[in-house]
Amino acid sequence: AQSVTQLDSHVSVSEGTPVLLRCNYSSSYSPSLFWYVQHPNKGLQLLLKYTSAATLVKGINGFEAEFKKSETSFHLTKPSAHMSDAAEYFCVVSVSSGTYKYIFGTGTRLKVLA
Amino acid sequence: DGGITQSPKYLFRKEGQNVTLSCEQNLNHDAMYWYRQDPGQGLRLIYYSQIVNDFQKGDIAEGYSVSREKKESFPLTVTSAQKNPTAFYLCASSIMYSTDTQYFGPGTRLTVL
Repeated sequence: AQSVTQLDSHVSVSEGTPVLLRCNYSSSYSPSLFWYVQHPNKGLQLLLKYTSAATLVKGINGFEAEFKKSETSFHLTKPSAHMSDAAEYFCVVSVSSGTYKYIFGTGTRLKVLA
Repeated sequence: DGGITQSPKYLFRKEGQNVTLSCEQNLNHDAMYWYRQDPGQGLRLIYYSQIVNDFQKGDIAEGYSVSREKKESFPLTVTSAQKNPTAFYLCASSIMYSTDTQYFGPGTRLTVL
C-alpha cells in the first residue's frame, strides 16, 4: 500500500533562514512525488515534482526537494525564507499500479517570522 | 490563459438542500477530479472522471453526485444525504488518468447554515 507522512504539522522559521519541510513515503512501486503549496482559501499550486529523473528537483520560488530512495524521503527545502512563503504545504505520492491514486499528506503549515 | 475555474467561491446551504458546485477547465485535459478538504485531514477524493460520460466513486462519494457531459465541465452536487458537507471543495484535472500531474482550481467553500 502507498502512503505519505508529513512529519511536522507546523514549522516556524525566521525570514531569511532556511526552510525544511519533511516528507516520508511508502510505496511498493516506483512513485511520482509532488509538493504543492496552498495559501489561505486558495487552490493548490504545484511547486515541483519527481518522476524518476534527477533525484534533486528544482521548483518554483526557490524551492527544491531531494528524492532519497534509501530513506524513502522527499524533503522540501529553501535556502532563505520569505514572508510570502507562509502557507500550507502538501506532499503527494502518486502510483499507477492497476489503480492510479494521488495520496496526500496531511499538510505542514509554514509560519515565517519577521 | 488556460486553467481551471470553480464557482462560486463561497456557497451557503440550508440543511436539506442540494447544491451544485461548478468546475470548468480549458486545458483540454481528459481526467477531472473532485476533492474535499477538511482541516488537518489533507485532501480526500470524492469522484473522478477519466473521460467524457464516465465517472467513478472515490473514497468518500456518499452524499455526492457528479456528471461529465462535456470534456470541459465536471459539476459536483452535494445532496441532502451528505451529513457533514461544510468543507472546502477542490476540483482538479490532469492530461490523462495516470501518474500525470494534477492541476487545481481555486476552490469553493461550502457552509451549511
